[in-house]
Amino acid sequence: KNQVEQSPQSLIILEGKNCTLQCNYTVSPFSNLRWYKQDTGRGPVSLTIMTFSENTKSNGRYTATLDADTKQSSLHITASQLSDSASYICVVSASNDPDSGFQKLVFGTGTRLLVSP
Amino acid sequence: GAVVSQHPSRVICKSGTSVKIECRSLDFQATTMFWYRQFPKKSLMLMATSNEGSKATYEQGVEKDKFLINHASLTLSTLTVTSAHPEDSSFYICSAPLGGRAYDEQFFGPGTRLTVL
Repeated sequence: KNQVEQSPQSLIILEGKNCTLQCNYTVSPFSNLRWYKQDTGRGPVSLTIMTFSENTKSNGRYTATLDADTKQSSLHITASQLSDSASYICVVSASNDPDSGFQKLVFGTGTRLLVSP
Repeated sequence: GAVVSQHPSRVICKSGTSVKIECRSLDFQATTMFWYRQFPKKSLMLMATSNEGSKATYEQGVEKDKFLINHASLTLSTLTVTSAHPEDSSFYICSAPLGGRAYDEQFFGPGTRLTVL
């Protein structure tokens, strides 16, 4: 069964500190892995997307890593800001669905991050 | 990046009424759009795939007569919750892929909060 698990479920850090969020997946066949940021009451916004051959990708203060062998990914946030408070969702794409032609997205349950002043 | 809008952002209705939610791709065409629902502190769950000019494809367990989807144009998909009940209260999010089937980076709308009294 395709699954994406994230840890921790929630996290509180002080402003300016770094943190790392974890994602483990059992999606097959694997196509790519995405990290999204979702503010409360808003739709998800893409942070990074990585294919099988990529093991790290950065977007400003966000750095995602991917280990396709162990099926693990992490999202590292550097010098956290109050605006980083949100849910971070790991989404893994299985290869194209034969009916729709689109990649099936398997969503993790997210990590709720609160950055405290 | 590409922009997807939803309208309304929130709606409160009485039990038994029908509610229509619009999803628009503002600066690109989308022959396919996806509808999700999200319960509090839960991840997004795919409800259906909306196809321009043809019938929508529903995920297992989603009632097609309950959640009517119409993809009237290349930039607009609508979800109508018919005879809404309190258990239909949820956060509804749409997404649209950019670039066609070969490259399906998906952009999410801001979501619609539905409350059924």
